[in-house]
Amino acid sequence: EVQLLESGGGLVQPGGSLRLSCAASGFTLSSNAMAWVRQAPGKGLEWVSSIDGGSDDTHYADSVKGRFTISRDISKNILYLQMNSLRAEDTALYYCAKDIWAWSFDFWGRGILVTVSS
Amino acid sequence: EIVMTQSPATLSVSPGERVTLSCRASQSVSSNLAWYQQKPGQAPRLLIYDASTRATGIPARFSGSGSGTEFTLTISSLQSEDFAVYYCQLCNNWPLTFGGGTKVEIK
Repeated sequence: EVQLLESGGGLVQPGGSLRLSCAASGFTLSSNAMAWVRQAPGKGLEWVSSIDGGSDDTHYADSVKGRFTISRDISKNILYLQMNSLRAEDTALYYCAKDIWAWSFDFWGRGILVTVSS
Repeated sequence: EIVMTQSPATLSVSPGERVTLSCRASQSVSSNLAWYQQKPGQAPRLLIYDASTRATGIPARFSGSGSGTEFTLTISSLQSEDFAVYYCQLCNNWPLTFGGGTKVEIK
């Protein structure tokens, strides 16, 4: 059974950093592309970043480029999102998601809340 | 950046009715489109990918159509569990983008 479990969220001051983790089970990260998608409170979905399954190719939304880094630990089957220079507008529920086809996502975690506030 | 526009923003529907949701791309995206359903407090659920392919376990009352710039999600007979927000998503093009969503509410 495929499962995704995010962790590492919380309250951080503007300018601070957080690292989100997404523990995957039921499949291997080495064979599947993954993404982070976020949702600000009461708002729609926003794609944040993706990493290719067969390579380490990465992609970022302009809103996070240069501040966020997506990575994975194949041996632990964990996906990460390192978030630096956080801003109030980064406040959101962050989901990790597994790709099924052309960067559409068939499995999602429950999400982890990141709040950026002083 | 390709912009995905969904309409209407809200749709009031009675159970049993046929529902048609629209998603328009600002330029042609071939069939690179997915549809998701999201209920309050839950993660999105993939319904359709490749514009018209139902995801595993999705009931046959959900169907997707379209290509190029115009796409449609149809629910043939709305069930009580279908009241939710529906999002379209551009696939296979960077940046990936989501439409603003259509909320299907009880009339």
